[in-house]
Amino acid sequence: DIQMTQAPSSLPASLGDRVTITCRASQDIGNYLRWFQQKPGKSPRLMIYGATNLAAGVPSRFSGSRSGSDYSLTISSLESEDMADYYCLQSKESPYTFGAGTKLELK
Amino acid sequence: EVQLVESGGGLVKPGSSLKLSCVASGFTFSSYGMHWIRQAPKKGLEWIALIYYDSSNKYYADSVKGRFTISRDNSKNTLYLEMNSLRSEDTAMYYCAYGWFAYWGQGTLVTVSS
Repeated sequence: DIQMTQAPSSLPASLGDRVTITCRASQDIGNYLRWFQQKPGKSPRLMIYGATNLAAGVPSRFSGSRSGSDYSLTISSLESEDMADYYCLQSKESPYTFGAGTKLELK
Repeated sequence: EVQLVESGGGLVKPGSSLKLSCVASGFTFSSYGMHWIRQAPKKGLEWIALIYYDSSNKYYADSVKGRFTISRDNSKNTLYLEMNSLRSEDTAMYYCAYGWFAYWGQGTLVTVSS
C-alpha cells in the first residue's frame, strides 16, 4: 500500500503568514494527489486536485506543487477562515490513502 | 445542486450489523464511481471503499475487507454500505463522496459500544 507521510501535524501561524504543508508518497503517484480542508463539524472540502490544480471556488492564495515524491500545499497569506485541518490524499491506486493531517492554528 | 445525504447510522453493539445509505441528487448518479470514507472521533480520514459506476468493480481498505460490502442501486440513486461484525474501532462518522472526492455528504455517525 502507498503511505502518505504528512508534516507538520500542527502548524501555529499568524494572519498574513505564508504557510506550507507537505506530503511525501512512499511510491510513485504521479500527480494523483489531492488536498482537503476540514473545519470542525464539517465535511472535508476539496482544495487542490492533480497536485497543482485549484478546485472550483477555492481562493487563489491556495496553491499546490510537486517536487519528485514531495507534494506541498501553500497558503500565500493566511486568513482567519483558513484555520482548519488539512489532509492530502493519494488517488493513484486502491487502497487510497490519506495523510495523517495538519492542524493549522493561530499562533 | 449536488446533494449527497447519508443515513442509517446509530448506536449498535459489537458483533452486530448496520446498513448505511447515501441518496444522491443533482448529477447523473449512474455515471460515477462512489466512495465511502470514515473518520473516527478526533482522528483523521480513512478511505474504506469504492464502487464503479456500473458495480463492475469494488475495492476495500484492509481494515474492512470481508466485513463491509459496498453496493449501489442506480434506479434509486442510492449508494449503500453494509457493515457486519462491527467492532469498537469502527466507531466513526461515515461519509459518501463522488467526483473523485469533489463532493461529500454531511456524514452519518456510527457508534459501536456495549
